[in-house]
Amino acid sequence: GAVVSQHPSRVICKSGTSVKIECRSLDFQATTMFWYRQFPKQSLMLMATSNEGSKATYEQGVEKDKFLINHASLTLSTLTVTSAHPEDSSFYICSARTIGSVETQYFGPGTRLLVL
Amino acid sequence: QQQVKQSPQSLIVQKGGISIINCAYENTAFDYFPWYQQFPGKGPALLIAIRPDVSEKKEGRFTISFNKSAKQFSLHIMDSQPGDSATYFCAASRAGTASKLTFGTGTRLQVTL
Repeated sequence: GAVVSQHPSRVICKSGTSVKIECRSLDFQATTMFWYRQFPKQSLMLMATSNEGSKATYEQGVEKDKFLINHASLTLSTLTVTSAHPEDSSFYICSARTIGSVETQYFGPGTRLLVL
Repeated sequence: QQQVKQSPQSLIVQKGGISIINCAYENTAFDYFPWYQQFPGKGPALLIAIRPDVSEKKEGRFTISFNKSAKQFSLHIMDSQPGDSATYFCAASRAGTASKLTFGTGTRLQVTL
């Protein structure tokens, strides 16, 4: 139980294009999902907290107009990297918190983004 | 501000040995402390978690020891196996913050034969 999927697992795009990453909770409903960014050999950096049906809350220093987050249902959240640039290349990971669980987060497998 | 400090940065342990990773936190409002295991190119997987009302929690070969007064907690991996080779992250969160996790810097564990 508590499986989170991400799609795509890997994406290569040209500079200036937009990329959408999907995060789905497969066997549970998630009122809250989180988006993280991880650079090689570094820890996870929280980008934003996404609540179903409301606007995402972004961490300090994260551009909300560049990283668009939509949480349209209890099982799906999307992250769109707009006008991607090479410095946006990173490993993006989502997590989901189950309804009724105050703390536990289950993570997706991550999406490797490479911007050329 | 680094709110959760993790050590060591890397660790090499022989098969069958005990791996010990330590974390220290600053914010006394933290009340949930999970450990995650991450393999290269994969997302983190929850291993074990503890709350401050207990000093130790064991699940299989994994044990968390928690010292509230010292604001420290540690992960012990007993009978370490090569398959345990991964990066381990400690984390902490507090009630009322939508469960936002603050992660440690990670420990790369290598278990040798």
